[in-house]
Amino acid sequence: EVHLEESGGDLAQPGGSLRLSCAASGFTFSDYAMSWVRQTPGTGLEWVSTISGGGDDASYADSVKGRFTVSRDNSNNTLFLQMNSLRAEDAAIYYCATPDKVFVHWGQGIPVTVSS
Amino acid sequence: EIVLTQSPGTLSVSPGERATLSCRASQSISSSFLGWYQQKPGQAPRLLIYGGSSRAAGIPARFSGSGSGTDFTLTISRVEPEDFAVYYCQTYAISRTFGQGTKVEIK
Repeated sequence: EVHLEESGGDLAQPGGSLRLSCAASGFTFSDYAMSWVRQTPGTGLEWVSTISGGGDDASYADSVKGRFTVSRDNSNNTLFLQMNSLRAEDAAIYYCATPDKVFVHWGQGIPVTVSS
Repeated sequence: EIVLTQSPGTLSVSPGERATLSCRASQSISSSFLGWYQQKPGQAPRLLIYGGSSRAAGIPARFSGSGSGTDFTLTISRVEPEDFAVYYCQTYAISRTFGQGTKVEIK
């Protein structure tokens, strides 16, 4: 059974950084693209980023491009999202999901708060 | 960027009734790139439909997707008590974009 579990969510100050992790199990991790999707009451669901199975290709929403970096460790079945220069509007519940276009499997989500 | 507009915002139905949810795209997209999700409070979204009309694994047959061009529909043939939730459409034609959601509530 596929299981995705996010961690690393916390309170960050505007301009600060956070690193989210997503531990995956139940499938051959390196065979699948992985994605981050976030959700806020105001803006709803928003795709954030996707990384290919091999980790050599990544794409980002315009709203986070240049500030967020997605990466993966296929030897440890873990997905990461490095979030820099955080803004108030980045506050959301962040989900890791797979694969890349339609999201079949989701983690339970982790809250990120951005406030001074 | 393709914008998806869902209607109505809230749909009030009684158990056993038919529910019809609409998703309109700002430009024509292939139905192959349209999906639907269900989300209950405190839970992650759950994929219901992909490719416009294909049910995801384990999804009951009362859920069906249809449409083409700019107009797409999710139909719940007979609403069960567990179907009261928020439903989102999503396209992956150019980028991944979600609609704003339709809440299906008990009438």
